[in-house]
Amino acid sequence: AAGVIQSPRHLIKEKRETATLKCYPIPRHDTVYWYQQGPGQDPQFLISFYEKMQSDKGSIPDRFSAQQFSDYHSELNMSSLELGDSALYFCASSVGGRAHEQYFGPGTRLTVT
Amino acid sequence: AQTVTQSQPEMSVQEAETVTLSCTYDTSESDYYLFWYKQPPSRQMILVIRQEAYKQQNATENRFSVNFQKAAKSFSLKISDSQLGDAAMYFCAYRSAETGGGADGLTFGKGTHLIIQP
Repeated sequence: AAGVIQSPRHLIKEKRETATLKCYPIPRHDTVYWYQQGPGQDPQFLISFYEKMQSDKGSIPDRFSAQQFSDYHSELNMSSLELGDSALYFCASSVGGRAHEQYFGPGTRLTVT
Repeated sequence: AQTVTQSQPEMSVQEAETVTLSCTYDTSESDYYLFWYKQPPSRQMILVIRQEAYKQQNATENRFSVNFQKAAKSFSLKISDSQLGDAAMYFCAYRSAETGGGADGLTFGKGTHLIIQP
């Protein structure tokens, strides 16, 4: 079965640079979520989109922005990167509404040096 | 805000034995969903089992079952016939079903590291 695709899988950036992470949801899934998991931490919800509109917002820094496109893929844009942004970034997708499970992608490991 | 607590940072069990992972949560809502996710060394987050708060019957998926006690706000995961491939970090997660419109993110506990002894 098709899964959530994230690219790139690994990314190394320097402080103050920008990064763009991409997420391609499971076919026919219309909802996308972004999570950040720091080393030894639990995943923290950042933001979600339902039918291309921002749906819910968690602990996303102002330096980060995201959007969902007409083909339902999503991009997380991160600017003025800080050392503390080094983490595993997960994208998850679901069929709309609150009742449906979220299926996670493999994650993008971002390292800020 | 909802909180999820996993009081066991690490658990160890012999292969083929049964182990129970604990999870408690705090919420003022009456309608919500609870999940257990598994994160093996690959770091992939894998959904293990889900429970709807309005259902009294405990969810079961093969060797995995839950003990859902709504009044006590407790949601434990039982793994029967433990296998080496069950070794992973297990996260308990909460999701509201009441806030209006759109989708809500999951709130996770800190996780329990499960070790399987051969």
